[in-house]
Amino acid sequence: SQTIHQWPATLVQPVGSPLSLECTVEGTSNPNLYWYRQAAGRGLQLLFYSVGIGQISSEVPQNLSASRPQDRQFILSSKKLLLSDSGFYLCAWSGAGVPDTQYFGPGTRLTVL
Amino acid sequence: LAKTTQPISMDSYEGQEVNITCSHNNIATNDYITWYQQFPSQGPRFIIQGYKTKVTNEVASLFIPADRKSSTLSLPRVSLSDTAVYYCLVGDGDNFNKFYFGSGTKLNVKP
Repeated sequence: SQTIHQWPATLVQPVGSPLSLECTVEGTSNPNLYWYRQAAGRGLQLLFYSVGIGQISSEVPQNLSASRPQDRQFILSSKKLLLSDSGFYLCAWSGAGVPDTQYFGPGTRLTVL
Repeated sequence: LAKTTQPISMDSYEGQEVNITCSHNNIATNDYITWYQQFPSQGPRFIIQGYKTKVTNEVASLFIPADRKSSTLSLPRVSLSDTAVYYCLVGDGDNFNKFYFGSGTKLNVKP
């Protein structure tokens, strides 16, 4: 069966510090991968998605970036965090089928102080 | 890109049937409609998916009229544990790799 992992589960970072969130998927090959952000009490905002290694599409221009160094690894990064980067970050994967279901990870709660 | 509109919140009582409607006037021919459930501090979880008419599984039914401009998620006999946010999602007909979540409906089930 497929599983998706995210870490860390929670993170408190000062403004201006760097960020690296990691997501890995097990039990499937060549998944589509997604990063979402959810502000408190709000819906999900799609940040990035990837259909393959090194292929990243950005949905929202901001100070965040994403990378996919391996087939089942997706990383969300920032060089300098802003207060507005606080939120709940969710990684998801879907199959390459049409249109496949998205499966979400447990999420990372990021607080920028 | 098809956008969705849902009620912000709904209240219900245990044992009742709950129907949540989502509008997607610009749905494309190839788009599917998917509903997710999200509990606080957890990732969304797939509930049901359909293209037209009616789909039923062990937890819900999805009703889609012929024009597909809306859909209704039906939860039979809700319990307190069904209190959650429900998202209606329409797949991008031009690119099945991209999915956009609506604003979600906060369902509050009361005893």
